Amino acid sequence: DGGITQSPKYLFRKEGQNVTLSCEQNLNHDAMYWYRQDPGQGLRLIYYSQIVNDFQKGDIAEGYSVSREKKESFPLTVTSAQKNPTAFYLCASSIGQGHNQPQHFGDGTRLSIL
Amino acid sequence: GENVEQHPSTLSVQEGDSAVIKCTYSDSASNYFPWYKQELGKRPQLIIDIRSNVGEKKDQRIAVTLNKTAKHFSLHITETQPEDSAVYFCAAGSNDYKLSFGAGTTVTVRA
Repeated sequence: DGGITQSPKYLFRKEGQNVTLSCEQNLNHDAMYWYRQDPGQGLRLIYYSQIVNDFQKGDIAEGYSVSREKKESFPLTVTSAQKNPTAFYLCASSIGQGHNQPQHFGDGTRLSIL
Repeated sequence: GENVEQHPSTLSVQEGDSAVIKCTYSDSASNYFPWYKQELGKRPQLIIDIRSNVGEKKDQRIAVTLNKTAKHFSLHITETQPEDSAVYFCAAGSNDYKLSFGAGTTVTVRA
């Protein structure tokens, strides 16, 4: 879906460093999500936001932080407290009106440890 | 929280045969069940979804069935083609915007 842009495509983190992954959408969607994907596992929800200036923890929020200052943007920060950050990170968005709507994904960011 | 189990983890089929992937869920409040296809190194793409007020939905060679009583739903791909080779994920969600995903099924279509 060309309406969701994640950057960078590849990212390397040094020990003790915080890194921020970008997610921008031009679909006018209210809800946005961050997932982590590890080999052989499904997608696990890190954080989600139903509306601007509001967000909730998902199943694996420890070591991550987010902000939702604009409808179009939902950046994810991987902090130094996340001891195993190597994974494929996917951002998604949905219309988010009242009940579950299809989620559309970006191309992902692959994060590795130096 | 919701727990979704998906089987099998790998599936190899001959081109032209059918493929079936099954998922079970635990939360009776779940009412939305999408299926995603993810090709190697690419984003997951929604291929079909079903809501709890419907028992079956079909889109060309793809169909999904839902058994609310047994809490399971299945993806059926008929007349498989090499381009159907990918990882398929099921998911379940209720009215809280969240989706819980299965671990995925790697489908290989042999020519």
